[in-house]
Amino acid sequence: DAGITQSPRYKITETGRQVTLMCHQTWSHSYMFWYRQDLGHGLRLIYYSAAADITDKGEVPDGYVVSRSKTENFPLTLESATRSQTSVYFCASSESRQGVGSNQPQHFGDGTRLSIL
Amino acid sequence: AQKITQTQPGMFVQEKEAVTLDCTYDTSDPSYGLFWYKQPSSGEMIFLIYQGSYDQQNATEGRYSLNFQKARKSANLVISASQLGDSAMYFCAMRDEASGGSYIPTFGRGTSLIVHP
Repeated sequence: DAGITQSPRYKITETGRQVTLMCHQTWSHSYMFWYRQDLGHGLRLIYYSAAADITDKGEVPDGYVVSRSKTENFPLTLESATRSQTSVYFCASSESRQGVGSNQPQHFGDGTRLSIL
Repeated sequence: AQKITQTQPGMFVQEKEAVTLDCTYDTSDPSYGLFWYKQPSSGEMIFLIYQGSYDQQNATEGRYSLNFQKARKSANLVISASQLGDSAMYFCAMRDEASGGSYIPTFGRGTSLIVHP
C-alpha cells in the first residue's frame, strides 16, 4: 500500500546503545524529514533531506545521524543513546519544491515511541 | 524568535459550537504556505487545511476554514459545529523559503482542543 511507514513503533533501549529508526515512503517524494515531539515543544526538526544523498541539519541535530542512499528510505540513527533522547519520533515526506514547494503538505508516519533507560 | 506562535495551550468547546484556534506567524518571505494539522490521542498527524500567501480567499475544507489576515500575520483555524471526534492537538505550521531555497516547515507548539457534550 502507498504511504509512509515507520519501524519499529515502540523501542526500549539503554543509554549508550546505538539505535536506528526506519522510515520508508512509497510516493517517491523528494523531501523527507525527521522530527521529535516532546511535551511543551511541539514538533522539532532533527534532519531533513531534499533528495537522495542530500541531507541537512534541522533545529536539534546533535546526537543523531541520517542517511539517504535511496529516495524511499530515510533512516535515523542515535549513535549513543541518552535519556534526553527519549521521545516520540515522526518521519514525514512531501513533494519537491519545483517552484511551488511552499504549498505542499507533509505526510507523516505513525511515529516511533522511543524510551531510553 | 518563534516563527509560529500558538498562544492557546488548551481550549474547551461545547459540542456543535464553533471554535477558533489562533496562529500567528513571522516571515519576510513574500511566498509562503500555512498549514494546520490535527493530532488525535492515537498519535498520528493529519493534514487539515492549507492557505497560500497569495491566495485571495480564505481556505475551506468541510467544517474547517482558515481565517487568513495577511497584514496581521495571523492564520486562525475555525472549526464549525464541533464534534466529539474533534478533540485533539492542533498544530499550525508554515513553509517559507529558508536559506538555500528549501521550504522547511516550522511548527507551533500546538493547542489542545477538548470538545465536551
